[in-house]
Amino acid sequence: DTAVSQTPKYLVTQMGNDKSIKCEQNLGHDTMYWYKQDSKKFLKIMFSYNNKELIINETVPNRFSPKSPDKAHLNLHINSLELGDSAVYFCASSHLDREETQYFGPGTRLLVL
Amino acid sequence: AQSVTQLGSHVSVSEGALVLLRCNYSSSVPPYLFWYVQYPNQGLQLLLKYTTGATLVKGINGFEAEFKKSETSFHLTKPSAHMSDAAEYFCAVSSNDYKLSFGAGTTVTVRA
Repeated sequence: DTAVSQTPKYLVTQMGNDKSIKCEQNLGHDTMYWYKQDSKKFLKIMFSYNNKELIINETVPNRFSPKSPDKAHLNLHINSLELGDSAVYFCASSHLDREETQYFGPGTRLLVL
Repeated sequence: AQSVTQLGSHVSVSEGALVLLRCNYSSSVPPYLFWYVQYPNQGLQLLLKYTTGATLVKGINGFEAEFKKSETSFHLTKPSAHMSDAAEYFCAVSSNDYKLSFGAGTTVTVRA
């Protein structure tokens, strides 16, 4: 009965590697998001997709590439990982409306060594 | 552009005491405001939100918040703290391009 799920929960990898984080929602929402939470717990949006189309693309290195195969999935692929990419990455989903609640996944804790 | 300022990065209260977390916002459009809670090593859970209508909003776990336009504030309160309220609390404002802008968060600790 999980609403927004992410895999993996933890990810430890070496600098320079390429990795992906997967997100799935079963809420029937049309919009999905990726947020980054840094070591000071500050949350910032990275990307948003509505019906598989990119609608928000913040100033994020182009090593980060979101992919939305369908409305229920939004994956995040990261190339050439750097130490500064270490963070917690949260996926979220909602209907596309300012007043709609965004529902968050449990987060993926990425550590780059 | 929208932004949120949370006053106080850390609040410590005694069990049974009032919890007050402060949030001020700036918004170029009528604000939609949210409070989220994050328990250790977990995702964010919505506590409550204000969109339109009644300015006093009640949420889960006994929390409530009041939207005060004249003060550009949306402070979160709970009359009596419980040990299980220990967590990180985030205030957020929704922009007209569908982004949620979060405050820096307030860590709440509850003393027995």
